[in-house]
Amino acid sequence: SQTIHQWPATLVQPVGSPLSLECTVEGTSNPNLYWYRQAAGRGLQLLFYSVGIGQISSEVPQNLSASRPQDRQFILSSKKLLLSDSGFYLCAWASGTGGLGTEAFFGQGTRLTVV
Amino acid sequence: AQSVTQLDSQVPVFEEAPVELRCNYSSSVSVYLFWYVQYPNQGLQLLLKYLSGSTLVKGINGFEAEFNKSQTSFHLRKPSVHISDTAEYFCAVSSQGGSEKLVFGKGTKLTVNP
Repeated sequence: SQTIHQWPATLVQPVGSPLSLECTVEGTSNPNLYWYRQAAGRGLQLLFYSVGIGQISSEVPQNLSASRPQDRQFILSSKKLLLSDSGFYLCAWASGTGGLGTEAFFGQGTRLTVV
Repeated sequence: AQSVTQLDSQVPVFEEAPVELRCNYSSSVSVYLFWYVQYPNQGLQLLLKYLSGSTLVKGINGFEAEFNKSQTSFHLRKPSVHISDTAEYFCAVSSQGGSEKLVFGKGTKLTVNP
């Protein structure tokens, strides 16, 4: 069966420090991968999505970036964190062959607090 | 581009009462529609989805939703809620045969009181 792993679960980082959040999927190949951010009262904001290795689409211009070095690995990064980067970050995958008519599966999330 | 509006940010109800969580969408093409539930500090879990066919969709935990194309709505309903249904609920949309994006509404916090 397919599983999605996202870590760390919680993270406290000082302003100006770098960030690296990792997400990996097991049990499927060529998935579509997504990074969302959830801030209080603002719902889920799509940050990046990827339909294949090295293919990244950015939805929101900001100081975050994403990379997909392997088929089932998706990394969210920042060189210098801002206070406004605090939030709950969720990774998700969906079947690449079925498109979004199939279910999207979410990781357990990372609670990032920038201090 | 698609967008989703969840009209109520918070919905308080008493246990065993019926509930409806409202969702309206906007899209220039045909869509797929989803409802997800999120319990505190967890990821999202799919409740139900509409792809095609019958406009009344049944999901897990006794929830159902009805797709209304003319009103561009996909409201979520449950005839009798339990304390354990307390969670945040998200409506989402994606376009058929187009972008791979899944766009979410801002969520509705359902609180079931005894």
